Amino acid sequence: QVQLQESGPGLVKPSETLSLTCSVSGGSIDTYYWSWIRQPPGKGLEWIGFIYYSGSTNYNPSLKSRVTISVDTSKNQFSLELRSVTAADTAIYYCARVYTEYFPQWGQGTPVTVSS
Amino acid sequence: DIVMTQSPDSLAVSLGERATINCKSSQSVLYSPNNKNYLAWYQQKPGQPPKLLIYWASARESGVPDRFIGSGSGTDFTLTISSLQAEDVAIYYCQQYFDTPITFGGGTKVEIK
Repeated sequence: QVQLQESGPGLVKPSETLSLTCSVSGGSIDTYYWSWIRQPPGKGLEWIGFIYYSGSTNYNPSLKSRVTISVDTSKNQFSLELRSVTAADTAIYYCARVYTEYFPQWGQGTPVTVSS
Repeated sequence: DIVMTQSPDSLAVSLGERATINCKSSQSVLYSPNNKNYLAWYQQKPGQPPKLLIYWASARESGVPDRFIGSGSGTDFTLTISSLQAEDVAIYYCQQYFDTPITFGGGTKVEIK
């Protein structure tokens, strides 16, 4: 059973770049699509984007201008960069395995606060 | 974008009774060539990530109790918990994967009456 674990800073200053990594264990990253999803405090879920191990991506248009998702197959990891963050980007960030564009497995999530 | 609208926002049901959650999509998520509805349901308990319950609108994920039943087609879908148990207290979300951007409903909170 594949397991996912997010890691990265829990506090980011406004206008800076949020960077998170998802480590995949129990299986190879070069099999499925992988995704980032976020959840602002007390709110619903927002899909950020997908990546395939080959590097092909698909982003939510609402974030596309600020987002980069990348993959490192040698480390069995994929990463999220979100640029020019504001308080509206404060959320729990989840990484997830994708199957036919639904999400059978999720990481535990990592909270990120945007504040000076 | 496909907008997913869930109702009600919350509901309280007695233990052993039926809970019904509705999800409506702003356009059909039925793909005619394979006759599949691109609709999933998730359960999220406090402090935990969402857990996949149902995909293809009615297929139960492995290990999910059979009291969780997904139904519907096109634009109107329902998640039924046939006999509510204490461990079912959670927020439930629907998700469409017919088209990107992937979108989720706003969630329905289920509590014990």
